[in-house]
Amino acid sequence: QTVVTQEPSLSVSPGGTVTLTCGFNSGSVSTSFYPSWYQQTPGQAPRTLLHSTNIRSSGVPDRFSGSILGNKAALTITGAQAEDESDYYCFLSLGHDIWVFGGGTKLTVL
Amino acid sequence: QVQLVQSGAGVKEPGASMKVSCKASGYTFTSYAIHWARQAPGQSLEWLGWINGVDYYTKYAHNFQGRVTFSQDTSASTAYMELSSLRPEDAAVYYCARGLNYYIDVWGKGATVTVSS
Repeated sequence: QTVVTQEPSLSVSPGGTVTLTCGFNSGSVSTSFYPSWYQQTPGQAPRTLLHSTNIRSSGVPDRFSGSILGNKAALTITGAQAEDESDYYCFLSLGHDIWVFGGGTKLTVL
Repeated sequence: QVQLVQSGAGVKEPGASMKVSCKASGYTFTSYAIHWARQAPGQSLEWLGWINGVDYYTKYAHNFQGRVTFSQDTSASTAYMELSSLRPEDAAVYYCARGLNYYIDVWGKGATVTVSS
């Protein structure tokens, strides 16, 4: 079974830096998976942050950045702000027109 | 601006079917795909599949094959998702979202489905 893993929860201090990762149980995540990242606050629809590993969507602050770290996709928030407290989901293209979401990371800013 | 307005579903009995619609505006409907995803209470997002706006090609997630059907009315810029044989665990918020190349760029606000007798 295909499983995309994310840290269930992370915390960061205001102004600090945090990295969320997105792994794949069947191997390494590379740019060929076109990883994208979505932010979701309670009761709201997700919001697109990044796509194709590191391209920010329109209006997304530049404190959000994406990369491949080792064998995982990564979302880094540099200079976290209170409003960044949200759930974050990665989304991977597995090929053969199949996509999958990660399990999500609940980020606390405190 | 680009919008996806969802409607449909509500409260359904176990074993029934549900249908959610997703009306697009602000862009050329046939130039993009529509992905469908759901989120059960307190759970993560789950991808259901997608339909290509230009050629009606569909791909369903393995877990939903045989139970979910995507369709669209291009003249109405509207996509539809139908899920049959509903179970209590199908209770969720169902999202449609616009697909661009390899990612989702715009989301609908979601449609809530409750499965209860």
